[in-house]
Amino acid sequence: GNSVTQMEGPVTLSEEAFLTINCTYTATGYPSLFWYVQYPGEGLQLLLKATKADDKGSNKGFEATYRKETTSFHLEKGSVQVSDSAVYFCALSSHSGNQFYFGTGTSLTVIP
Amino acid sequence: DTEVTQTPKHLVMGMTNKKSLKCEQHMGHRAMYWYKQKAKKPPELMFVYSYEKLSINESVPSRFSPECPNSSLLNLHLHALQPEDSALYLCASSQTQNLNQPQHFGDGTRLSIL
Repeated sequence: GNSVTQMEGPVTLSEEAFLTINCTYTATGYPSLFWYVQYPGEGLQLLLKATKADDKGSNKGFEATYRKETTSFHLEKGSVQVSDSAVYFCALSSHSGNQFYFGTGTSLTVIP
Repeated sequence: DTEVTQTPKHLVMGMTNKKSLKCEQHMGHRAMYWYKQKAKKPPELMFVYSYEKLSINESVPSRFSPECPNSSLLNLHLHALQPEDSALYLCASSQTQNLNQPQHFGDGTRLSIL
């Protein structure tokens, strides 16, 4: 079946540090992959997505590359800011588009 | 600013009360969703409406009753809830029910059951 495995948190980083949040998936066919972010007290926002192998999604300095060979979609940012403190969810939709799975979420706190 | 508006932002109710959560979007999306999110957990899908018809009910107890009066509005009627139903209830929408498309979320209603 389809599933998403996400790096356990919480993660605490100093401002300007490099961020990686690992995400791997199990799926049949060619799923679409997403990163959503949830800031404190808010709903989820789409951060970036990728729909096929080797696609790179990017937004607000965050990047993730769809790696079919390693079934991964790791989130990276070169220099985090305090305002990036949030919970990050990796997610997958099935090739057919009729199933959707969230990872467990990774809480990030960036300290000045 | 979120494009999906949920009201109220907070709701406290007793186990015998009846209340409703409301969600509105004006993006022309034809699929709308209700999710339940407990603290430090990912959202769990409850219901999906596609073109104003209920297409998915994830075995949600009947004390939760969804309604889609038109393509822009989605309600969740609550009755005889239990303390374990306390959670953040999120509404989302997408262009169609194809889940390869991004979902747009509201900020949620934080529900507390006394």
